[in-house]
Amino acid sequence: GQQVMQIPQYQHVQEGEDFTTYCNSSTTLSNIQWYKQRPGGHPVFLIQLVKSGEVKKQKRLTFQFGEAKKNSSLHITATQTTDVGTYFCAGGDNFNKFYFGSGTKLNVKP
Amino acid sequence: GAVVSQHPSWVICKSGTSVKIECRSLDFQATTMFWYRQFPKQSLMLMATSNEGSKATYEQGVEKDKFLINHASLTLSTLTVTSAHPEDSSFYICSARPYRGGTSSLQETQYFGPGTRLLVL
Repeated sequence: GQQVMQIPQYQHVQEGEDFTTYCNSSTTLSNIQWYKQRPGGHPVFLIQLVKSGEVKKQKRLTFQFGEAKKNSSLHITATQTTDVGTYFCAGGDNFNKFYFGSGTKLNVKP
Repeated sequence: GAVVSQHPSWVICKSGTSVKIECRSLDFQATTMFWYRQFPKQSLMLMATSNEGSKATYEQGVEKDKFLINHASLTLSTLTVTSAHPEDSSFYICSARPYRGGTSSLQETQYFGPGTRLLVL
C-alpha cells in the first residue's frame, strides 16, 4: 500500500525559532492534507494542497507541495507555545483515501 | 458546522467480548466514512473505508471478520470489535467526508471524530 514517511519524529525548539516538518510519499499523490493533534485530542484539519508546486500560507504557517506531488513540507515561523502538538501529513490517493505520515511531535520551550 | 461525534468516548471490556463504536456526522451527510486506529505515540493507520449502503473496504492486513463495519445511513457508521483481545486496545478514530451530491469531489476534506479509547483487559 501507499507509504508516507515524515521527518523528523521529534523537534524541540525555543520559542521564536522556526520549525519545519517534511513528508515524502513512495507514490505520486492526488493531494495532501496537514493535521495538528494536541495530546489527548483528535487530528484537526489545517489545510489541503492539490496542485503541483502549490504553496499556501496561514499566518505563520507555510505549506508546500512538491512539483512531482510526492513530497510536502510545513514550516512554522517564530514558533509559539501554542504551536505545541504533533503535526501529521496525510497523502491522498486517487480513491480519496488518505494515508498518514508518522507525525512530527513539536515541543516549544518558553 | 462539520461536526463528527463518536460514542462511547472510552470503553473498558473483558477479553472475548465485543465492542461497538458509533460514528455520527451531526450536521452533514456522509456517504463515506473512514476508520483509523492509533497506538500511543504513533500515527493513524487507516483500517477501512465505510460506504453507505455497501460493504466496507478493508486495508491490507485488517481482518474484516474481526472489525465489522456497518454504514447503515448517511450519518452513521459503526465499528464492532468482535471477541476483543488485549492487543486490540487502541484509540479508534473515525472521519467522515461530506456528501455533496452528484459526482463527489476527489478533493473533499474529511472531518474527524473525537476518538474512542478501547482498553481490553
